[in-house]
Amino acid sequence: QSALTQPASVSGSPGQSITISCTGTVSDVGGYNYVSWYQQHPGKAPKLMIYDVSNRPSGISNRFSGSKSGNTASLTISGLQAEDEADYYCSSYTSITTLEVFGGGTKLTVL
Amino acid sequence: EVQLVESGGGLVQPGGSLRLSCSASGFTFSNYAMHWVRQAPGKGLEYVSAISSNGGSTYYADSVKERFTISRDNSKNTLHLQMSSLRGEDTAVYFCAAWHSSASYWGQGTLVTVSS
Repeated sequence: QSALTQPASVSGSPGQSITISCTGTVSDVGGYNYVSWYQQHPGKAPKLMIYDVSNRPSGISNRFSGSKSGNTASLTISGLQAEDEADYYCSSYTSITTLEVFGGGTKLTVL
Repeated sequence: EVQLVESGGGLVQPGGSLRLSCSASGFTFSNYAMHWVRQAPGKGLEYVSAISSNGGSTYYADSVKERFTISRDNSKNTLHLQMSSLRGEDTAVYFCAAWHSSASYWGQGTLVTVSS
């Protein structure tokens, strides 16, 4: 049950765009369109930002977008704002356990 | 309003046991598979256990297999996690959660500290 691979940290200035990658295998990210992205602020529960690779739940800003190519999914945040500073986690359905696997998390710093 | 409220966390000695509970409201509990996800201090999210909507199927991460038992009571909208033979590496905030497509519900978590 290896975690999906994410960069440990990314940073950007207000107004800029950043992209966080999430690399898995054909057994998870590459094989299914069931990738989700979560935002977590310190001491808070994770919040769903993207589901099924590129869909936004109701109430999530369109500054957040998701995509996938091969075994790698990506989360792009455009027009960075101070409140976007948080940890971001990807997750995917995996056929190995028929449940979910999480990425290791990426800390986004807004400079 | 959807609410998931965990309880039962605390300080326990290595080798000890603890039972976590999660009380659900605001959604049709019996329609959702339920999950426990934990987060060690300063670390990422780790999938721990899951149970199907009717309780007939369960799943455990290798790290907790044969030590933890997940269960649910759909008549009381409650999820449980019985933890035994606890180790230092089980120290974490334990979240209960439910998700399906765009629906994603998480509790605020309960801290379990395993230490002598």
